[in-house]
Amino acid sequence: QKEVEQNSGPLSVPEGAIASLNCTYSDRGSQSFFWYRQYSGKSPELIMFIYSNGDKEDGRFTAQLNKASQYVSLLIRDSQPSDSATYLCAVSSGGYQKVTFGTGTKLQVIP
Amino acid sequence: GAVVSQHPSRVICKSGTSVKIECRSLDFQATTMFWYRQFPKQSLMLMATSNEGSKATYEQGVEKDKFLINHASLTLSTLTVTSAHPEDSSFYICSATRGDSNQPQHFGDGTRLSIL
Repeated sequence: QKEVEQNSGPLSVPEGAIASLNCTYSDRGSQSFFWYRQYSGKSPELIMFIYSNGDKEDGRFTAQLNKASQYVSLLIRDSQPSDSATYLCAVSSGGYQKVTFGTGTKLQVIP
Repeated sequence: GAVVSQHPSRVICKSGTSVKIECRSLDFQATTMFWYRQFPKQSLMLMATSNEGSKATYEQGVEKDKFLINHASLTLSTLTVTSAHPEDSSFYICSATRGDSNQPQHFGDGTRLSIL
């Protein structure tokens, strides 16, 4: 069974700091990796996706992928209280196979 | 961006009522739509995968006769909760994707269902 693991948290960081969220996956054949943000009581929203090893930056967000070690991370620079949410990692093995979601990491940014 | 509209956002109804939830991709053709359920403080649970013009694929433990899914076009999928009971009360969320699972899913705003 394909698994995606995330530390449930909460991860607490002070405002302005870098928040680092990690995710590991079991299927070595995984091809696509997604990060979603979910505010309490709301539906998930896509933040970033990454397909290749290395870093991908979008504004304050950087996704990092290491396929050899089977982990993907999300860095949030200059964290803001509005970043406080649960962050979901999702992994796809490609084709029309099911995407596997992690259980999410709760991030708290302390003003 | 990719916009997915879900309606209604909130439903409160009596036990035994059937409830229909609509999910529309507004600015793209959705090859596949997904239906999730989420209980408070729990993770997303995939209920079914829906492809246009074909029968939905249900996850283990999800009753297909209870949760009817219709995917009539590339922009619309519906979930009908038949004869809903209080234990069906939950947050139901749809998502849509343009292509295969290498494409990101775009989520609707969700429907909060409360059965009295």
